[in-house]
Amino acid sequence: DAKTTQPPSMDCAEGRAANLPCNHSTISGNEYVYWYRQIHSQGPQYIIHGLKNNETNEMASLIITEDRKSSTLILPHATLRDTAVYYCIVRVAGRPGTASKLTFGTGTRLQVTL
Amino acid sequence: GAVVSQHPSWVICKSGTSVKIECRSLDFQATTMFWYRQFPKQSLMLMATSNEGSKATYEQGVEKDKFLINHASLTLSTLTVTSAHPEDSSFYICSAGTPTDTQYFGPGTRLTVL
Repeated sequence: DAKTTQPPSMDCAEGRAANLPCNHSTISGNEYVYWYRQIHSQGPQYIIHGLKNNETNEMASLIITEDRKSSTLILPHATLRDTAVYYCIVRVAGRPGTASKLTFGTGTRLQVTL
Repeated sequence: GAVVSQHPSWVICKSGTSVKIECRSLDFQATTMFWYRQFPKQSLMLMATSNEGSKATYEQGVEKDKFLINHASLTLSTLTVTSAHPEDSSFYICSAGTPTDTQYFGPGTRLTVL
């Protein structure tokens, strides 16, 4: 699976948009970009994933560049509860009926402040 | 999103005893479940992948005789830490893969070995 590079930490004011970048310059054509977050002392929480197109759900938006070498996770209105470590993970989809493993890097520690 | 539970959420045991951790997918069937370990201030490290009805696949460096994994049904996987020692103290997290290959994580189990 392709490696990812994320800034170690970021700050964001509450109510503002949090834009978390991820570089995955060696991504292959069949690899998806997944985002998870981990709030302190909890299991990771799935946020969103995409292959080529931009994606949006109730939690966030995922913007993938046209060359797919980088992406940005956008939390449109950050709250204090969004303070967490955010992981960008690139991986190939599993065979039908199975799931493929996730390899976690060090992620970005997002601190949302008042 | 899909819900995964773990039990117990925390456990304290004496050195030399065995501890069993359960992981359940509550609202979906998971052909594949994964077990991770996380030490303080570190990222998640995959320990093993378990497919229902077959033997688990362990990552390099993980002792299969020490960390016994059973995946007897599509909604339950168990991890047994045998002859636990203080260095096994960690945060153990399971995840379950949905048919669409998205992994959902349990809340984690904090193990402390005295």
